[in-house]
Amino acid sequence: DTAVSQTPKYLVTQMGNDKSIKCEQNLGHDTMYWYKQDSKKFLKIMFSYNNKELIINETVPNRFSPKSPDKAHLNLHINSLELGDSAVYFCASSDGLNQPQHFGDGTRLSIL
Amino acid sequence: RKEVEQDPGPFNVPEGATVAFNCTYSNSASQSFFWYRQDCRKEPKLLMSVYSSGNEDGRFTAQLNRASQYISLLIRDSKLSDSATYLCVVSGGYQKVTFGTGTKLQVIP
Repeated sequence: DTAVSQTPKYLVTQMGNDKSIKCEQNLGHDTMYWYKQDSKKFLKIMFSYNNKELIINETVPNRFSPKSPDKAHLNLHINSLELGDSAVYFCASSDGLNQPQHFGDGTRLSIL
Repeated sequence: RKEVEQDPGPFNVPEGATVAFNCTYSNSASQSFFWYRQDCRKEPKLLMSVYSSGNEDGRFTAQLNRASQYISLLIRDSKLSDSATYLCVVSGGYQKVTFGTGTKLQVIP
């Protein structure tokens, strides 16, 4: 059983398109996260939700909009994709904000 | 000063060697500290939490120095399978979670 699963694993699309990445966790955790890892391998937090409420919202363009329909899901919608959005996006979950996180295996987004 | 700083390496060490990494943090209100490892093109995975009194898990020892605001990771008897990037994570304090940029370790036969 996959603890944190994200889909799709690979996403290749053109500039200007809108796309979504889905994340689900079956660990019963109440905190979920989205991270972006760029070509320099720097892993930067984008958002965090606790019990469906946004608790961390780093400086991210408002083209990125997270949505948490329930505790087990945190989806990421990206409007008007740009070349600089090319990266690996990781979803993670934890049993509280300051607890160890479990990561999904990433979504590799490439913008043509 | 960056919030969390690590020497990017790479650290090239022979099998069986002992290697240590440090990670400094700037937010004195930080509450929780972790070490993760990330293999090439894979997701980060928790290696160990870091407790105030220091803790050990097999060949791995983690230490926290709150006064000087750094955490360390010591790996004894390095194995080829230890080759990876090691990320320190600092959280708490203004609801922040910050990953270091990682230290690359290459264990050589």
